[in-house]
Amino acid sequence: QVQLVQSGAEVKKPGASVKVSCKASGYTFNDYFIHWVRQAPGQGLEWMGRINPTSGAANFAQKFQGRVTMTRDTSISTVYMDLSKLKSDDTAIYFCARGAAAGVVPFDNWGQGTLVTVSS
Amino acid sequence: DIVMTQSPDSLAVSLGERATINCKSSQSVLYTSNNKNYLAWYQQKPGQPPKLLISWASTRESGVPDRFSGSGSGTDFTLTISSLQAEDVAVYYCQQYFNTRAYTFGQGTKLEIK
Repeated sequence: QVQLVQSGAEVKKPGASVKVSCKASGYTFNDYFIHWVRQAPGQGLEWMGRINPTSGAANFAQKFQGRVTMTRDTSISTVYMDLSKLKSDDTAIYFCARGAAAGVVPFDNWGQGTLVTVSS
Repeated sequence: DIVMTQSPDSLAVSLGERATINCKSSQSVLYTSNNKNYLAWYQQKPGQPPKLLISWASTRESGVPDRFSGSGSGTDFTLTISSLQAEDVAVYYCQQYFNTRAYTFGQGTKLEIK
């Protein structure tokens, strides 16, 4: 079955960076974009950006441009999201989710989420 | 960016009764060349990731009970649960995927049992 398994919780200090991984299995890795969505405590869902696993090309929400990078390692079907210059309001659960690369579609499978806490 | 606004923010409905959640987009998410609305609904239960319920405004995902239905077109959409079950307690989000440079979600509607 389709699975997206994310790395574990992180605690970071303000100004630091965090790298969260998302390992895909149960489907052809290159057939689906991977999106990153975050959710601050008690808040709604916020799309951060997406990566095309085939080309490695990524696009980001304007809010995160300059602070986020997304990369992939096709040999292990894993995508990484790196967020730099962390602030306290970056404290959130970060989800990866897949959306088909062929055509425009919503996100049909999600990772379990990774809690990132930013605190001094 | 397309702004998605849901109403109400929270809703309490008796078991077996109908629940209705509305979603309005700041611009049309109907792609006229294929007559499809790029609008999805998700359900999120506490401690879980969101689950896709409905895509294209009205197409239920496989395994989603038929008490869930979606309707609407253009800028106004509705998620209806025809007969509320205890397991439907969750937060529901709409999402537009019309603008793939900036996917956006509604703020969420919390559904509880009255």
